[in-house]
Amino acid sequence: SAVISQKPSRDICQRGTSLTIQCQVDSQVTMMFWYRQQPGQSLTLIATANQGSEATYESGFVIDKFPISRPNLTFSTLTVSNMSPEDSSIYLCSVETSGKVINTGELFFGEGSRLTVL
Amino acid sequence: AQKITQTQPGMFVQEKEAVTLDCTYDTSDQSYGLFWYKQPSSGEMIFLIYQGSYDEQNATEGRYSLNFQKARKSANLVISASQLGDSAMYFCAMRVNNQGGKLIFGQGTELSVKP
Repeated sequence: SAVISQKPSRDICQRGTSLTIQCQVDSQVTMMFWYRQQPGQSLTLIATANQGSEATYESGFVIDKFPISRPNLTFSTLTVSNMSPEDSSIYLCSVETSGKVINTGELFFGEGSRLTVL
Repeated sequence: AQKITQTQPGMFVQEKEAVTLDCTYDTSDQSYGLFWYKQPSSGEMIFLIYQGSYDEQNATEGRYSLNFQKARKSANLVISASQLGDSAMYFCAMRVNNQGGKLIFGQGTELSVKP
């Protein structure tokens, strides 16, 4: 398994500001994923962050709004830019541990970062 | 397109009884994986159990078992001997292997365990 730490765990932000969420893993991982969970909703994938290449964004999400960094195999950041109340969500980092055959094994999640935008 | 459907927005179960949470999926791929996660009110996603599409036996993890019926495209979670701490949201998710390993989630089922 992997231990994933996210910071901040929660924050209250003002409209128009930006916030960067950090995700730290205790082992090297090939693929990291960022999800959003809006209040009362399920999880939706924002983007896949791969070390050494640009993040791959899902439909409806753009780099200008959610820039992602992946400087090494144990760390990634997601920035929520120019926030509005609609960005109030839980943001979760997920990792697929390296070395696993893709059709087996678990995908692990961080504790989530709960953002409230006023 | 891939899709996960959880038709039970909320479920109640008496403590110590078993409960089944439904999940159906839709994919045209032959290789895929099915996951169940528990999300308490704190917001973290806790991995419970995994079933691969080629696994011949139903997955089990302690009190959790997955009733995998491939022909019906269902992957129901069975929790035996429910405990008060099982009260949470439960999400079924699918990973399709030709899409880079991302998860597609269902809408979730809120389970409440009664004492």
